[in-house]
Amino acid sequence: DGGITQSPKYLFRKEGQNVTLSCEQNLNHDAMYWYRQDPGQGLRLIYYSQIVNDFQKGDIAEGYSVSREKKESFPLTVTSAQKNPTAFYLCASSLYIGETQYFGPGTRLLVL
Amino acid sequence: AQSVTQLDSHVSVSEGTPVLLRCNYSSSYSPSLFWYVQHPNKGLQLLLKYTSAATLVKGINGFEAEFKKSETSFHLTKPSAHMSDAAEYFCVVRGYGGATNKLIFGTGTLLAVQP
Repeated sequence: DGGITQSPKYLFRKEGQNVTLSCEQNLNHDAMYWYRQDPGQGLRLIYYSQIVNDFQKGDIAEGYSVSREKKESFPLTVTSAQKNPTAFYLCASSLYIGETQYFGPGTRLLVL
Repeated sequence: AQSVTQLDSHVSVSEGTPVLLRCNYSSSYSPSLFWYVQHPNKGLQLLLKYTSAATLVKGINGFEAEFKKSETSFHLTKPSAHMSDAAEYFCVVRGYGGATNKLIFGTGTLLAVQP
């Protein structure tokens, strides 16, 4: 059963803590993306990766970091430098960069 | 630069009546346009996409959209709403330039379906 999985579904962060959101795909897609969604706004691009061992900043990369060590995996770390991390985070992938994107179910991050 | 404007933040219809969700786009190039749907606390699901083939695009769940270049519009329609259509809908244009050809999202239209 092909698709994109994100875990956990809900995540709580304490002040000054780094947290990591998981994104895995078994679609054999080269490109992967991370978006942030806030109420009343469209999605905003955080980071993207065209291929393994490569990633680029999107529009709102400050306070976030990523890695792409495996084709299937693109974890996102929300660092303590991100002052307003409460949001819904969506991971997506596409066969190649610029192709149609398919989305995972999302992770909701809440700050304690 | 590319952009999309969703003209209504909220739309409410009765079950069995037609749905119209409006989207205008701006693009210097022949655009690629998409509609995605998001049910509460879920990821986005692709409804349909336009990539310069037929101007009337049919998608899943009975939705369709018509590309009108003269009006720079890509409105989403469905002849008869179902309760399960209640969700948020995003109109999206693919940007050009740079390495990403990234997606540019509208701010969404929340569709409510009344029984």
